[in-house]
Amino acid sequence: AQSVTQPDIHITVSEGASLELRCNYSYGATPYLFWYVQSPGQGLQLLLKYFSGDTLVQGIKGFEAEFKRSQSSFNLRKPSVHWSDAAEYFCAVVEFEGNKLVFGAGTILRVKS
Amino acid sequence: GAVVSQHPSRVICKSGTSVKIECRSLDFQATTMFWYRQFPKQSLMLMATSNEGSKATYEQGVEKDKFLINHASLTLSTLTVTSAHPEDSSFYICSASGGSEAFFGQGTRLTVV
Repeated sequence: AQSVTQPDIHITVSEGASLELRCNYSYGATPYLFWYVQSPGQGLQLLLKYFSGDTLVQGIKGFEAEFKRSQSSFNLRKPSVHWSDAAEYFCAVVEFEGNKLVFGAGTILRVKS
Repeated sequence: GAVVSQHPSRVICKSGTSVKIECRSLDFQATTMFWYRQFPKQSLMLMATSNEGSKATYEQGVEKDKFLINHASLTLSTLTVTSAHPEDSSFYICSASGGSEAFFGQGTRLTVV
């Protein structure tokens, strides 16, 4: 079965600084990968997704992610963080048997001014 | 993106009563719906997958008689927590998929007192 690892439980960055959230997956073939953001008490909003093609994917709110097959990674990046980006971020991969999403444990992003 | 509406957003119920949560896909036909449970400061745990017109497939450890799922149409799925107990208090999130991407509802905060 597929699994997703987000090694960082919490990350704190200064407003205006760059951000990288790590995500590693285990899957033999090319996976379908997603990044979601969740604000407190809210559902999930899709930031971006990767199915195939260009390995650098652009998403909403200025986020991007790069699929690196050799490292089994799909790290999320943003060049300049805004205070409104403070939230919890989940990386997910589709488990094709059952067509369901498998989520990482999440990374809580704190932004300090 | 597509819109998934989940209702209610918050519910408080007495121990021993049942609670129904609705999940609607507003602008697309959801052939598959997923129900997740999220404990505080934890990731989303898939409870069950339902395909329209079929019985739901429950994940290991999820009591099918306690968490009743109905997916009677391509736009509506319901989760009923029967004989709720305080340990059922949690954040429940649905997602709906009509193809390769799933869209999430806003979540329901259930508190059993």
